[in-house]
Amino acid sequence: GAVVSQHPSWVICKSGTSVKIECRSLDFQATTMFWYRQFPKQSLMLMATSNEGSKATYEQGVEKDKFLINHASLTLSTLTVTSAHPEDSSFYICSASTYRENLYGYTFGSGTRLTVV
Amino acid sequence: LAKTTQPISMDSYEGQEVNITCSHNNIATNDYITWYQQFPSQGPRFIIQGYKTKVTNEVASLFIPADRKSSTLSLPRVSLSDTAVYYCLVGESNFGNEKLTFGTGTRLTIIP
Repeated sequence: GAVVSQHPSWVICKSGTSVKIECRSLDFQATTMFWYRQFPKQSLMLMATSNEGSKATYEQGVEKDKFLINHASLTLSTLTVTSAHPEDSSFYICSASTYRENLYGYTFGSGTRLTVV
Repeated sequence: LAKTTQPISMDSYEGQEVNITCSHNNIATNDYITWYQQFPSQGPRFIIQGYKTKVTNEVASLFIPADRKSSTLSLPRVSLSDTAVYYCLVGESNFGNEKLTFGTGTRLTIIP
């Protein structure tokens, strides 16, 4: 089945530094990928929609200059958290749309636990 | 996108059948119903998807009444490893660029 690989699985960084998270579709091409953030005991919140070859679309309240998204190929989307602060500590998850039994579904990466100290 | 409502939490004993119901009163004609499972510190995993009546796969069944305003995920003979959060999502599955909106999900705890 479709696999979305997300790296790193966890990262600890110092305040003020930048962190890049990669999301790869391993056995299919993903024109559209999505980035979510999840705080402890809460649901997933959509941050942005990443489209290959074009600018990402951000949800209301998400700072596009802080969360840089690049979708340069049909198999790779990256999320860069710039000038990270402790409040950016969260679980970040990517997903890609997949075609299954004549319907579109969504396959998720394993997530990245970001801790900013 | 239709909003969904699920119980916040449920407990069940091992070996029992668990039914989790989701309400989606504003479901549109083209919307499908999809359930995902999420373990701690992992991404959600697809469980099952359906449009109407009943769908069954190797892990679960999905029951959808004729009016489609609700759906029930049925997990047969649960085990401790089924402890997770279960999300019900409703959306159009004819395109691959629709944004998914996650509700609160149902935190299922299996008791030994």
